Amino acid sequence: NAGVMQNPRHLVRRRGQEARLRCSPMKGHSHVYWYRQLPEEGLKFMVYLQKENIIDESGMPKERFSAEFPKEGPSILRIQQVVRGDSAAYFCASSPQPFPSVNTEAFFGQGTRLTVV
Amino acid sequence: DAKTTQPPSMDCAEGRAANLPCNHSTISGNEYVYWYRQIHSQGPQYIIHGLKNNETNEMASLIITEDRKSSTLILPHATLRDTAVYYCIVRVDGSSNTGKLIFGQGTTLQVKP
Repeated sequence: NAGVMQNPRHLVRRRGQEARLRCSPMKGHSHVYWYRQLPEEGLKFMVYLQKENIIDESGMPKERFSAEFPKEGPSILRIQQVVRGDSAAYFCASSPQPFPSVNTEAFFGQGTRLTVV
Repeated sequence: DAKTTQPPSMDCAEGRAANLPCNHSTISGNEYVYWYRQIHSQGPQYIIHGLKNNETNEMASLIITEDRKSSTLILPHATLRDTAVYYCIVRVDGSSNTGKLIFGQGTTLQVKP
């Protein structure tokens, strides 16, 4: 059973371009979470999605950021008109049930490192 | 969620036990203590979690004080590959599950040969 797969691992974008980050959850997992880690900082929750639904997007910046988790295919985190401050590591996690709960934990991917030049 | 306090860094000799403390003095009765670690440039890795009883798995042991205001993660025989940032997180279990783990600055554990 492959783990959570994120691609690309590294992404370079010029200011003003769009960035698309993909996350394929573990097999059988229908809950996906995105976190962002700015340089020298801890991880910050962004959004929680269940298939075709956004459950909690309280950590998402109000503009330029969006996320989806379609019925088929990976979850996508989309950043429009990127700025240098968007440079960070973006991690995706998945779980078979809503997380956290006593009988489950979330498994994280290796992240996508976005660099805006 | 209850706030946690961890020392910013610790050293440990290879082969010795690493004891990582965490204070969570405002923890409430239904909040679990979770530990994750992040090895450089990798995604966070789940280690262990508990409510009030001590817990042990193949990776570590978790000791929670009787008043639940603090806990200690124990890596019984630390190896160089255990060098990482260790995060102690307190999270409510129950209907408000949103995946919103609140990561602090964690403790950077350096295992030395």
